[in-house]
Amino acid sequence: QKEVEQNSGPLSVPEGAIASLNCTYSDRGSQSFFWYRQYSGKSPELIMFIYSNGDKEDGRFTAQLNKASQYVSLLIRDSQPSDSATYLCAVNIQGGKLIFGQGTELSVKP
Amino acid sequence: NAGVMQNPRHLVRRRGQEARLRCSPMKGHSHVYWYRQLPEEGLKFMVYLQKENIIDESGMPKERFSAEFPKEGPSILRIQQVVRGDSAAYFCASSPRIRDTEAFFGQGTRLTVV
Repeated sequence: QKEVEQNSGPLSVPEGAIASLNCTYSDRGSQSFFWYRQYSGKSPELIMFIYSNGDKEDGRFTAQLNKASQYVSLLIRDSQPSDSATYLCAVNIQGGKLIFGQGTELSVKP
Repeated sequence: NAGVMQNPRHLVRRRGQEARLRCSPMKGHSHVYWYRQLPEEGLKFMVYLQKENIIDESGMPKERFSAEFPKEGPSILRIQQVVRGDSAAYFCASSPRIRDTEAFFGQGTRLTVV
């Protein structure tokens, strides 16, 4: 079992809709969780981080964490074509290193 | 406050040559991480360093790869005798502390071995 799993997609949503991205992790000792966005040929850009169970909102983005289910999600409200990118879920398992999922490709259609 | 700076942005090496990739962390950040992204693959952790110390090198290939973060100057990822399979994007990230903090990525170095 992979340490961090994401559906590779592509996930296609119409402009203005809610995009829901999911991530599961295997290590119950994981302490912090991150969502990065990566445009093709560019570096990962931090969108959200979450440490505690529940929801965390920042503008159009909401991160949700459920440690009992070992599940992290990212909701993007009012999706825009500029949100089209690969979204990477990352987990801090030990020390400072991050374990990344394979990423979910999101396509927002105008 | 400048972000994480990596150079060069693009590097072309012939098989058998050495590649040196540099990373200057954000101001105030003492933790540096190197990741590699092979074409069509995810980001893989390589090594974690603090000043003058390698903390975790569990993701580094056993041969030809080395990393350092000297007391003065940038962190260096060194690849000796490069092969075609080393062609990838190499990203550096930095953070101010080890726990409960986000890591910020540099623009990456895209290494092409010909």
